[in-house]
Amino acid sequence: ELQLVESGEDLVQPGGSLRLSCAASGFTFSSYAMHWVRQAPGKGLEYVSAISSNGGSTYYADSVKGRFTISRDNSKNTLYLQMGSLRAEDMAMYYCAREKNSAFDIWGQGTMVTVSS
Amino acid sequence: DIQMTQSPSSLSASVGDRVTITCRASQSISSYLDWYQQKPGKAPKLLIYAASSLQSGVPSRFTGSGSGTDFTLTISSLQPEDFATYYCQQSYSTWTFGQGTKVEIK
Repeated sequence: ELQLVESGEDLVQPGGSLRLSCAASGFTFSSYAMHWVRQAPGKGLEYVSAISSNGGSTYYADSVKGRFTISRDNSKNTLYLQMGSLRAEDMAMYYCAREKNSAFDIWGQGTMVTVSS
Repeated sequence: DIQMTQSPSSLSASVGDRVTITCRASQSISSYLDWYQQKPGKAPKLLIYAASSLQSGVPSRFTGSGSGTDFTLTISSLQPEDFATYYCQQSYSTWTFGQGTKVEIK
């Protein structure tokens, strides 16, 4: 079964850091670009970050540039999102997704990041 | 950055109705437009990619059309399981989502 499973859910204080993980199974992880998308409570989807299949190219939305770092370990079939200098507006459900044919065809179940003092 | 605008933001419809949702890009995106369905508490699900290609396993009552700046998602006969929020997304230049369209029961 094609599957993505996120982890790392936590409550962090403003200014804090957190690392999210996304474990892939059922497909050749190293062949696909991967993405992070977030959704604040009651709000729409917001694009966060992308990484190429070999990790050599990355992209960040302006809202997280300089604070978040996307990475991957193809030997572990795992995608990461290192989040720093967290703000209240970063509080959201974070989803990882696989890119195929320029669309996001597989999504994880999401992991919640709460930013509060 | 390319902006995506969906209309309407919400709609009420009955089972069996034909429903149309539109998505407009702030500049031409060719056919780099995808549609997703999201139900409460669940991850989004890909319905249509490349403007008009039906994702495997998605019912044929869902159709996508358009190119350039104007796109449409049509549900030919609304079913109970179709009540959800729908998002468009462009992948022509990085990635951007529309604000969503909530389809509610009339």
